[in-house]
Amino acid sequence: GQNIDQPTEMTATEGAIVQINCTYQTSGFNGLFWYQQHAGEAPTFLSYNVLDGLEEKGRFSSFLSRSKGYSYLLLKELQMKDSASYLCAVMDSNYQLIWGAGTKLIIKP
Amino acid sequence: TAGITQAPTSQILAAGRSMTLRCTQDMRHNAMYWYRQDLGLGLRLIHYSNTAGTTGKGEVPDGYSVSRANTDDFPLTLASAVPSQTSVYFCASSDKNTGELFFGEGSRLTVL
Repeated sequence: GQNIDQPTEMTATEGAIVQINCTYQTSGFNGLFWYQQHAGEAPTFLSYNVLDGLEEKGRFSSFLSRSKGYSYLLLKELQMKDSASYLCAVMDSNYQLIWGAGTKLIIKP
Repeated sequence: TAGITQAPTSQILAAGRSMTLRCTQDMRHNAMYWYRQDLGLGLRLIHYSNTAGTTGKGEVPDGYSVSRANTDDFPLTLASAVPSQTSVYFCASSDKNTGELFFGEGSRLTVL
C-alpha cells in the first residue's frame, strides 16, 4: 500500500531551527508537496520538489531524496506564527496526491 | 481574489437527512477535488473531477456523490447522512502547470 510517515507533533523555540521529516512509499513518484495549515484554516502551499536536492524559499527550505523516499522541511528563525500543522503529500504515478497525517508544530517563546 | 468558495461554513445535520456542500472556483482550473479531514488522519480524497463533465471516485467515495456541470462548480452531496460523515470537508482545485492545490476554507459538518 501507499504510505506517508511524518511525526505527529514537534516542539521548538522561537528563533530556533526545526526540521520536519517525511518518508514515503508510493506507487510511482511525480513530486512531493509541503503545505502549511493553521488551526481551523485551509492548507496553503509551501513547496514542491520533484528533483533531488534542496529548494530554498526565504525562511523555509525543502529537501528531497528520491532514492531514500525521504523529504524534510526546514524552518529557520522560527516565529510564533509558524505554529501550525505541516502536511507532506506525494503525487503518485496516477497524479493523485497521497497525504501524510501532518505534523503539529508548537512554537514556544 | 475569491479563489475557492465553500458553503456552508458549518452545519449540524440529523442522521438520514440529505445535504449538499457547495464549492465554486473562479480560477478556471480544470481539476477539482473534495477531501475530508479527520483528526489524526491525512486528507482523504472523496471524489475528483479532471474536467467539466467528468468525475471520478477517490479513496473514500461511499455515501457521497458529486457532479461537474461546468468548470466553476463542484457540489458534494450526502444522500443520507450518517454520524461517521462528521468531518471537515475541503474543496480544492489545482493548477495544471504546477500541480499546486488551492483550498476552500472548509465546511465543518456534524451529523447527529
